[in-house]
Amino acid sequence: NAGVTQTPKFQVLKTGQSMTLQCAQDMNHEYMSWYRQDPGMGLRLIHYSVGAGITDQGEVPNGYNVSRSTTEDFPLRLLSAAPSQTSVYFCASRPGTSLYNEQFFGPGTRLTVL
Amino acid sequence: DQQVKQNSPSLSVQEGRISILNCDYTNSMFDYFLWYKKYPAEGPTFLISISSIKDKNEDGRFTVFLNKSAKHLSLHIVPSQPGDSAVYFCAASSLATSGTYKYIFGTGTRLKVLA
Repeated sequence: NAGVTQTPKFQVLKTGQSMTLQCAQDMNHEYMSWYRQDPGMGLRLIHYSVGAGITDQGEVPNGYNVSRSTTEDFPLRLLSAAPSQTSVYFCASRPGTSLYNEQFFGPGTRLTVL
Repeated sequence: DQQVKQNSPSLSVQEGRISILNCDYTNSMFDYFLWYKKYPAEGPTFLISISSIKDKNEDGRFTVFLNKSAKHLSLHIVPSQPGDSAVYFCAASSLATSGTYKYIFGTGTRLKVLA
C-alpha cells in the first residue's frame, strides 16, 4: 500500500494562475479531506468528502474547489491563486465517518503564490 | 475562534525526562481527542487517542489524560527520547451538520528533546 500520495511536492504560482493539487489513496477509504498548515494556525480543514460524489466545506473553503468522482482520488483546485494561499497542503483519508477512525495524512504539497 | 488551543508553541526537555504537552478546548460537545506527531517535510502521523468516557489512555511511553470538567487534555511522554523531537498536534472530533465527524486541530507544540 502506498497510503495517501500527493503531487506535486512543491509548486510556485503567480497570482491569478490556476492549478490542481492531486491526492490519491489506495486504502479504499470513504472519507478524504484537505487541510492547510500555516505558522501559528495549525491544520485547518478546507474541504472534505464522505464518499464518491459527496463533498462539503470545512473551516476555510473560500478560493478552493473539490470534486470526488472516484473513491481513490480527491483533487483540490485553486481557480485563481492568491498570495494568501501560500501554505503547506495536506490530504488525509480515513476508513469511515464514524467517531473512532484514525486519519492518515499524505506527505504534503508546499505551495508558494507570488 | 480557535476551538482547540495549544498555548505553548515550543517546549524543550532533557533526554530521559518527562515531556508534558497541553491542549485546551472550548466545545463541550467534543467527544474524541487525538494526538498527532509531525516531522519536518512529512505529513502528521497518528500517535494516541482518548474517548471522552475515559480519563486516561496509555500506549507505551505515551499517555494521554483528559479532564472534561476543565476541558483540558495533556500528552505525557516518559522517558523522552531525541527521536520524539517533532511538532505535536492535538485534535478533537466534532460532529458536522452533515452528520459526519471531522477533526479540529490545535496550532501545534514543537518539542525538542535535548541529548
